[in-house]
Amino acid sequence: DAKTTQPPSMDCAEGRAANLPCNHSTISGNEYVYWYRQIHSQGPQYIIHGLKNNETNEMASLIITEDRKSSTLILPHATLRDTAVYYCIVRVPSINKFYFGSGTKLNVKP
Amino acid sequence: DGGITQSPKYLFRKEGQNVTLSCEQNLNHDAMYWYRQDPGQGLRLIYYSQIVNDFQKGDIAEGYSVSREKKESFPLTVTSAQKNPTAFYLCASRQASTATQYFGPGTRLLVL
Repeated sequence: DAKTTQPPSMDCAEGRAANLPCNHSTISGNEYVYWYRQIHSQGPQYIIHGLKNNETNEMASLIITEDRKSSTLILPHATLRDTAVYYCIVRVPSINKFYFGSGTKLNVKP
Repeated sequence: DGGITQSPKYLFRKEGQNVTLSCEQNLNHDAMYWYRQDPGQGLRLIYYSQIVNDFQKGDIAEGYSVSREKKESFPLTVTSAQKNPTAFYLCASRQASTATQYFGPGTRLLVL
């Protein structure tokens, strides 16, 4: 029962910022948003997470709207190695379960 | 070299056979998870364990079984009752302080 919706695919030019959107309109007040990415046939890699404030780390930035119904993952300078499927996930704290949607396939092109 | 290991990388199952997938972690995490991934799809939760000697069914537990006798290990058995076992199986463990899950490299199960 995925709680998020993402576009199936996106293209981005190498060196440009990649902005990946995610809708989570039914999110509850205590549910966190996590982002992972998966390169073909590997385990998913953690990127970033947040509750309601914007977050930034060495990999990416996470922008969450004020009503928390959507968020955007920003890769500031995409490289060819960023080509992967990106998953936006909602975590329910009480049971610590992750609900994975179908993800967005990001194609970074030279 | 800390992390999560899964073995084997590829596993073949014959009709009517039970097979066991290994998952080991040296991150000292209490919670561990098993997911199944079908081609072009997201991950679905099979079983999870919050602590040693305890585990709960996820969303697609039928045809699978697990044990959690040690903190470091969470093996998954795919039984003959699982009629469509061909998939990519991923194990994860959860860091308590951030609730972040860290994944192993996966095991691809194929039916002969």
